[in-house]
Amino acid sequence: GAVVSQHPSWVICKSGTSVKIECRSLDFQATTMFWYRQFPKQSLMLMATSNEGSKATYEQGVEKDKFLINHASLTLSTLTVTSAHPEDSSFYICSASFGGQGSPLHFGNGTRLTVT
Amino acid sequence: SQQGEEDPQALSIQEGENATMNCSYKTSINNLQWYRQNSGRGLVHLILIRSNEREKHSGRLRVTLDTSKKSSSLLITASRAADTASYFCATGGTGGFKTIFGAGTRLFVKA
Repeated sequence: GAVVSQHPSWVICKSGTSVKIECRSLDFQATTMFWYRQFPKQSLMLMATSNEGSKATYEQGVEKDKFLINHASLTLSTLTVTSAHPEDSSFYICSASFGGQGSPLHFGNGTRLTVT
Repeated sequence: SQQGEEDPQALSIQEGENATMNCSYKTSINNLQWYRQNSGRGLVHLILIRSNEREKHSGRLRVTLDTSKKSSSLLITASRAADTASYFCATGGTGGFKTIFGAGTRLFVKA
């Protein structure tokens, strides 16, 4: 149980276009999901906390107008990278918590975004 | 700023040897978790240790936690080539609270 599916696993897009990444909890309801960004050989950087039915909470330095997060249901959160630029190329990973406080996070397999 | 910092950054060992990774953190925690990441994939939860626990085992994994020193260690015994991955410690809570990841230790187990 506690499977998180992330789609697509990789995407290549042109500068100026927008890309949507989906994160689904397949067998549990996730009121909160998290979006991370990871550069090669580095740790995960928390971008934002996605809350079902309310606005996402963004970390300092993350542009909310550029990285649009929507958490319309208890099983789906989406991250849209708007007007993508080459510097947005990265590995994006979502996670969700199953259970109450003290439960571990379950991760999607990540999305490799390349902006040309 | 990141909460956890792993040491060493990279570790290369022979199959069958033990691998020890350390993690230090800065503030009070409710629990500390260890995760594993294979190259280009998401993270997999390995083990969680609560702030009132000192040691925990799971198969070939042993985790210790010293809250007075704000540090934790992950020991993988009898390592296998398949253990090759990056290992991250993470601190904080869940259920709406942020979990902050350390820089990670890249483990390479040679067959």
